[in-house]
Amino acid sequence: EPEVTQTPSHQVTQMGQEVILRCVPISNHLYFYWYRQILGQKVEFLVSFYNNEISEKSEIFDDQFSVERPDGSNFTLKIRSTKLEDSAMYFCASSYGRASYEQYFGPGTRLTVT
Amino acid sequence: GESVGLHLPTLSVQEGDNSIINCAYSNSASDYFIWYKQESGKGPQFIIDIRSNMDKRQGQRVTVLLNKTVKHLSLQIAATQPGDSAVYFCAEPSNTGKLIFGQGTTLQVKP
Repeated sequence: EPEVTQTPSHQVTQMGQEVILRCVPISNHLYFYWYRQILGQKVEFLVSFYNNEISEKSEIFDDQFSVERPDGSNFTLKIRSTKLEDSAMYFCASSYGRASYEQYFGPGTRLTVT
Repeated sequence: GESVGLHLPTLSVQEGDNSIINCAYSNSASDYFIWYKQESGKGPQFIIDIRSNMDKRQGQRVTVLLNKTVKHLSLQIAATQPGDSAVYFCAEPSNTGKLIFGQGTTLQVKP
């Protein structure tokens, strides 16, 4: 069964450093998402991406965040200057359609900012 | 604003018993809901969905009930097994596609 993959599984970085989280969505999917989950809390939407541009972003997704689909398979989330409060699990998801289509989630990247 | 929320943060059941996990939503125009299961260290996994033109939908050992009058939905798991231990989220996709998750209920299955 096709699945969303993410790398790395765990990233430790120092405050102020840049990190890039990588995702490979399911190959025929057209919509891509990043969510984050702070330990013990609910999953929160960050950004959606379709047709090579951002469709929607939350208030969490400020100027420090960016997304890119550099080729036909990868989807990346970059945090330019990490803060302690960026420590969380980051999940990539993809779907074939919007809204009423199932979103498939990757296993997540645990980001620890020290 | 739009929101979905769960009633209990933790539910503990005996193996073999039925589990019921509840969720409330605020937007009466909401027309599609999804239940996700998240096992420790993994991403959310789709369990079952329901549209507002239905009151009930059944899957394998799971049933989702939707009560539009009181804006409430529930996930019922029959004959709960240790492998069902996880955090369960109800979620609602907005018309832009983003998923809005509830807080989650941790289901603990006692052997």
